[in-house]
Amino acid sequence: DAGVIQSPRHEVTEMGQEVTLRCKPISGHNSLFWYRQTMMRGLELLIYFNNNVPIDDSGMPEDRFSAKMPNASFSTLKIQPSEPRDSAVYFCASTFGQGSYEQYFGPGTRLTVT
Amino acid sequence: SQQGEEDPQALSIQEGENATMNCSYKTSINNLQWYRQNSGRGLVHLILIRSNEREKHSGRLRVTLDTSKKSSSLLITASRAADTASYFCATDKAAGNKLTFGGGTRVLVKP
Repeated sequence: DAGVIQSPRHEVTEMGQEVTLRCKPISGHNSLFWYRQTMMRGLELLIYFNNNVPIDDSGMPEDRFSAKMPNASFSTLKIQPSEPRDSAVYFCASTFGQGSYEQYFGPGTRLTVT
Repeated sequence: SQQGEEDPQALSIQEGENATMNCSYKTSINNLQWYRQNSGRGLVHLILIRSNEREKHSGRLRVTLDTSKKSSSLLITASRAADTASYFCATDKAAGNKLTFGGGTRVLVKP
């Protein structure tokens, strides 16, 4: 199994630009999570989907952030416009079932906004 | 605020020694999980303990859960240099609910 796949692995962009992060969950998993990790705030859940439907987006910082899951094998997290404070490592994770089961994490996308 | 808080924040031990870290949480939980994160990598699930369980083992890992004290501990026995990583606890408030991660304990195992 290839595991959770994220792209790009690294992204450097200028403030104001649009950033799109991509995730392919493990085949057969029906829940997908987007997390953000920083030294200051630790690991924060941004949003999670179950069967392609957003279940909880209370962690999405503001309207600049949006996430979609058009099908069971693909999800995107978009930041528009990006700001320096968005610099972080963004992780995607997936599992079978809802929420509280063992989660499988991708390698993360390190985002730097200058 | 984070549901789970690990203690200590950092731990340095010699190879072969045991490492113990604790996690405290604030509200009742359905289950508690422990994850490991190597530097620059994603988190890896280690063990899940349900609220009606008190102790669980997996290889060199031993996890305890005390729901009356709202705390859990992770013991790594006979540590190895490869155990160097950050360890996180994660809790959920109800079945099917989202996980909330603590701030982690950074463990350094010196050869």
